[in-house]
Amino acid sequence: GENVEQHPSTLSVQEGDSAVIKCTYSDSASNYFPWYKQELGKGPQLIIDIRSNVGEKKDQRIAVTLNKTAKHFSLHITETQPEDSAVYFCAASRASGTYKYIFGTGTRLKVLA
Amino acid sequence: ETGVTQTPRHLVMGMTNKKSLKCEQHLGHNAMYWYKQSAKKPLELMFVYNFKEQTENNSVPSRFSPECPNSSHLFLHLHTLQPEDSALYLCASSLTLAGDMSNEQFFGPGTRLTVL
Repeated sequence: GENVEQHPSTLSVQEGDSAVIKCTYSDSASNYFPWYKQELGKGPQLIIDIRSNVGEKKDQRIAVTLNKTAKHFSLHITETQPEDSAVYFCAASRASGTYKYIFGTGTRLKVLA
Repeated sequence: ETGVTQTPRHLVMGMTNKKSLKCEQHLGHNAMYWYKQSAKKPLELMFVYNFKEQTENNSVPSRFSPECPNSSHLFLHLHTLQPEDSALYLCASSLTLAGDMSNEQFFGPGTRLTVL
């Protein structure tokens, strides 16, 4: 079945450094890719998403890149801050047919002050 | 706050108990979802409702019984659970079931369930 692989499972960075989380999806028909951030005691919240007709999208310190040929997409966080510490999930979905999100296993990001 | 609330936030139950989880969304959405979140595993979709009608049952054991009386409320009735059912149960809602940005799913904080 379809799956999404996410790496690394844990990531520690110094405050101010950049963090990169990578995902690979198997369903070539996927064309919508959201990223969710889950803080302790809360549910996941959407932080950025990208559709397959673009290769990159930025929102302040967060960016997502997509390589459809390789079926890779990545989350980039620059100038990390302690409040960026959380678990991040990637997901892949089709725009037509099934609406299901296939989630990755999550990355626990720790930003060290 | 995401506009999706879940109660209770924590629940401990024995294997012979019957309990229910409640989810309510204040976003005017039409689709609601139950997910199971276990450590080091992807979020597992359990059930989907669209306009109160169940559209997805992802091979979930019958000891989990969902109920959707209206588009704003979703319940998960639990009975004779197993210890391996211990997990965080997340409710989510979206405006539509389309697989694009109108399907952005808003999650509640979850119910941490422990089955003894």
